[in-house]
This record gives sequence, structure tokens and C-alpha cells, in this order.
Amino acid sequence: GNSVTQMEGPVTLSEEAFLTINCTYTATGYPSLFWYVQYPGEGLQLLLKATKADDKGSNKGFEATYRKETTSFHLEKGSVQVSDSAVYFCALSDVGGADGLTFGKGTHLIIQP
Amino acid sequence: DAGITQSPRHKVTETGTPVTLRCHQTENHRYMYWYRQDPGHGLRLIHYSYGVKDTDKGEVSDGYSVSRSKTEDFLLTLESATSSQTSVYFCATLDREKYGYTFGSGTRLTVV
Repeated sequence: GNSVTQMEGPVTLSEEAFLTINCTYTATGYPSLFWYVQYPGEGLQLLLKATKADDKGSNKGFEATYRKETTSFHLEKGSVQVSDSAVYFCALSDVGGADGLTFGKGTHLIIQP
Repeated sequence: DAGITQSPRHKVTETGTPVTLRCHQTENHRYMYWYRQDPGHGLRLIHYSYGVKDTDKGEVSDGYSVSRSKTEDFLLTLESATSSQTSVYFCATLDREKYGYTFGSGTRLTVV
């Protein structure tokens, strides 16, 4: 079956530091890959996605590249802000997406001023 | 989140009682999902629906049932709540044209 593995943290960084959150996956076929963000007390918001190999998703300064050869979708940001403090989830879905998302366990990111 | 409303937002119930959570969407999306979120587990799929009266089990379906009598409503029922079902429950829909999932704001359920 499908699975997603990501570093759980918490990850603590200083403001303006470079961020990498690793995500690797196991899936049959050609899944689509997603990063979601959850701010305290809120639901999940789509941060970015990629639907085929070598695609790069980007949004709000965050980027992730779909690497089929390493089955990875690492999240990066060049300069984090305190407002980026949240829980980040890596997820995948099979082609078409009808069967829903498989999530990693989430990475709690804390940015200190 | 625009288009998805979960109710109630918070509920405390006693062990052994039945509980129903409601998800209502206004986007006319065919696919709907129920997830639970627990520390150390991320989100796990409970049940999903691919149309009115068409549902299927997810990864953690034991102890839960669902119903979908209208496109806009997807109900999750705990027939006899247990403490292990204390969790935050999220509903989601899939827009297949845009290939995007949208999540509701969640229901925090505590079983005492």
C-alpha cells in the first residue's frame, strides 16, 4: 500500500533561516504529491502540489520538486518567518485522487524571532 | 474553508453513546472523505464516498459508519463511542477538475 514518511520534529529554526523538511513516499504507479499546512486550531490548507515527475510546486516562497528516482518531495523555503510556524503534512494520492490522500505524520515547525 | 461546514465544532460525549458528525458542502463535489487526526499518526482515512449512497472503507473504519443520502451531506456515525475515538475529525471534498482537496475546519470529539 501507499505510505509517506517525513521528519516529525519539532523542527526549531531562527527567523530568516533556510528550511528543508524531508518527505519520501512509497506508492504504486504515478501518484500526485502534496504539502498541506495546519496552523494552530485550524484545518488543513493546501500549500503546493505536483502531479508528475520533475514538476515543481511552489507557493508563498515554499517549493518542492517531485523526484521519482528518489521517491521524494522535500519542502524548502529560503528564508522562514515567525508566521511560518505550523504543522506541515506531506501527502500523496493515486492517479485521479478518488481514493483520498495518504498522509505523513506531520512536522511541527517552530520559528523563533 | 469556503464551501465545507462541519458540525458540531466541539463535542463531549460519554462512552457507549451514539454520535453523529455532519459534513455539509456547497460545491457539488462528488467525492467526500472523513479523516481523523491523532498525535503521532497524522491524518488517517476513515471512510469515503464517491457519490450518493456509494461509500467505501478507509484505513481505520472499525467502529464507524457513514451515510450519504444527498450530494451535499456526508455523515459519520460512531454507533457506540469509545475513548479511543477521542480525536479531531476532518471532512474533505475532491474537486476532480482542479485536482484539489479542500478540508473543513474539523470537529474535536472527546469521549469520556
